[in-house]
Amino acid sequence: AQTIHQWPVAEIKAVGSPLSLGCTIKGKSSPNLYWYWQATGGTLQQLFYSITVGQVESVVQLNLSASRPKDDQFILSTEKLLLSHSGFYLCAWRDWGGAETLYFGSGTRLTVL
Amino acid sequence: GEQVEQLPSSLIVQEGASVLINCSYTDSASVYFPWYKQEPGKRLQFIIDIRSNMERKQNQRLTLLFDKKTKHLSLHITATQPGDSAIYFCSARGNYQLIWGSGTKLIIKP
Repeated sequence: AQTIHQWPVAEIKAVGSPLSLGCTIKGKSSPNLYWYWQATGGTLQQLFYSITVGQVESVVQLNLSASRPKDDQFILSTEKLLLSHSGFYLCAWRDWGGAETLYFGSGTRLTVL
Repeated sequence: GEQVEQLPSSLIVQEGASVLINCSYTDSASVYFPWYKQEPGKRLQFIIDIRSNMERKQNQRLTLLFDKKTKHLSLHITATQPGDSAIYFCSARGNYQLIWGSGTKLIIKP
């Protein structure tokens, strides 16, 4: 069975500090991977997607970057956090070329002060 | 680009009642419409979907209706249970990405 693990569960960071959020998918080869951002009580905004190792596409510019260093790992990062980065970050995967269902991680709650 | 509007934003009903959640989208090129739900403390999970070549899809107590002409979708949940309490999201996929509605918070009172 496939599992998706996000870390950390929550972060409280200062404006201007760096950030790194991680996501690991086990039990699935070459999944499509996605980062989503969800404002508190709000809708989801896709940030990045990746269809293969080393290849990441940006969907919206929010002074964030993403990388896929391994087939099963997706990293979201920034060197300088802004207040507007606060929210809930979700990682998701889906089959490459298969069903379109997204499978989500449990998310990371980020608070920027 | 695509925009998805979802109504109502919240709904409180008595257990056993039926509910209707509506979504409208703007891009006629959108072809795939999945719905997800987010229960308190749980992961966002897929519940039902429909493609633009269909008008109706049912999955147990969920019925999803699609009107291509009016660009409108409706999710009907019958015989609601406390476990149905969640935030429900509709979404629309055009060329590459899913565009999401703002969510409907459904509370089922026992």
